[in-house]
Amino acid sequence: QKEVEQNSGPLSVPEGAIASLNCTYSDRGSQSFFWYRQYSGKSPELIMFIYSNGDKEDGRFTAQLNKASQYVSLLIRDSQPSDSATYLCAVLQGAQKLVFGQGTRLTINP
Amino acid sequence: GAVVSQHPSWVICKSGTSVKIECRSLDFQATTMFWYRQFPKQSLMLMATSNEGSKATYEQGVEKDKFLINHASLTLSTLTVTSAHPEDSSFYICSAIFVGRQYFGPGTRLTVL
Repeated sequence: QKEVEQNSGPLSVPEGAIASLNCTYSDRGSQSFFWYRQYSGKSPELIMFIYSNGDKEDGRFTAQLNKASQYVSLLIRDSQPSDSATYLCAVLQGAQKLVFGQGTRLTINP
Repeated sequence: GAVVSQHPSWVICKSGTSVKIECRSLDFQATTMFWYRQFPKQSLMLMATSNEGSKATYEQGVEKDKFLINHASLTLSTLTVTSAHPEDSSFYICSAIFVGRQYFGPGTRLTVL
């Protein structure tokens, strides 16, 4: 079992709809979770982080964490073509090391 | 926000040569930096953790004699790929921690002919 798992996609969503990205992790003791966006040929960009169970909202983005079920999700409301990218879920292992999922490729169709 | 730079952004070299990549934290001090490698359509794989003033910590399977890391100051870490071969061609990305979060440099694309 991989430490951090994501559906590689591609996930195709019409413009204006909600995109839902999911991630599961194996280490029950994990405390910190991150979502990065990566455009093709570019490095990852931090868009959300979450530490506590429940929802965390930032603009069009909402991160959801359920530690009992060991999953993290990212919702993107009012999806725009510029949201088309690969989204990487990362889990903090220990004090500093990030473990990444394989990423979900998201395409927003105009 | 925290800005991390890398230089060069891309490099092409001949097989057998060595290539040095620099990673700088521009507006903060970073006692720890990280080096990742990403092959096409794959996720980021941590290669090593670079600690200022001490030896780097390498992940399992990463050859420390091939990927030399030097973290001589609080704002600069370097990765040297020694005797590069075509299989070393990849996207190398560094990151640094600022206020508990990792920020990535723009990456260096290495092509070994």
